[in-house]
Amino acid sequence: DIVMTQSPDSLAVSLGERATINCKSSQSVLYSSNNKNYLAWYQQKPGQPPNLLIYWASTRESGVPDRFSGSGSGTDFTLTISSLQAEDVAVYYCQEYYSNPSITFGQGTRLEIK
Amino acid sequence: QITLKESGPTLVKPTQTLTLTCSFSGFSLSTSGVGVGWIRQPPGKALEWLALIYWDDDKRYSPTLKSRLTITKDTSKNQVALTMTNMDPVDTATYYCVHRPGDGSGKYENWFDPWGQGTLVTVSS
Repeated sequence: DIVMTQSPDSLAVSLGERATINCKSSQSVLYSSNNKNYLAWYQQKPGQPPNLLIYWASTRESGVPDRFSGSGSGTDFTLTISSLQAEDVAVYYCQEYYSNPSITFGQGTRLEIK
Repeated sequence: QITLKESGPTLVKPTQTLTLTCSFSGFSLSTSGVGVGWIRQPPGKALEWLALIYWDDDKRYSPTLKSRLTITKDTSKNQVALTMTNMDPVDTATYYCVHRPGDGSGKYENWFDPWGQGTLVTVSS
């Protein structure tokens, strides 16, 4: 099974500043035949279910603010919030969908306001 | 607008079998590429994928829980059910039903959007 490891476990960022969350997979999630990375990002606000932010490692879901961006390839990925807003306080999860049948999430990164 | 809602018991005893139902609207599970899955989250912990059923009745299970899980669909009722046998206190979690929109007719494009609100299942005697 692929293991997804996020870093840091938690971080505090000032409003308007950049927040960066990392996700590392134990094996590559890049499928060579289509050159796509099988990775998604979710945001989970307190008391709510997760919400899809990004798939294919960098494709923003419709309606997601453009301050959210995803990057990376192979085994190393990053979710960046370019200018932190108060409503971005949440736990963020990465998820690989490369391995089938297994689907694996990272352990989550808690983002707070400094 | 796609919505999903989970229903089932909130409390089960150890060794019992849990059956959860997901009732959805806004899409058909007979549409090529579509799927419905289950994901759980123990209190204060991370997400764990459990099972996924596709439009063509193909099914996928978590390898670690496969022996305990069964996922089925009733396309006419717009429902998906998950059965988990031999429940244990460590299975206490919020169980989410999720829509798998897909990206074409393949079965590897497994991201989930949207999610149901979830139902908390407690396993205790």
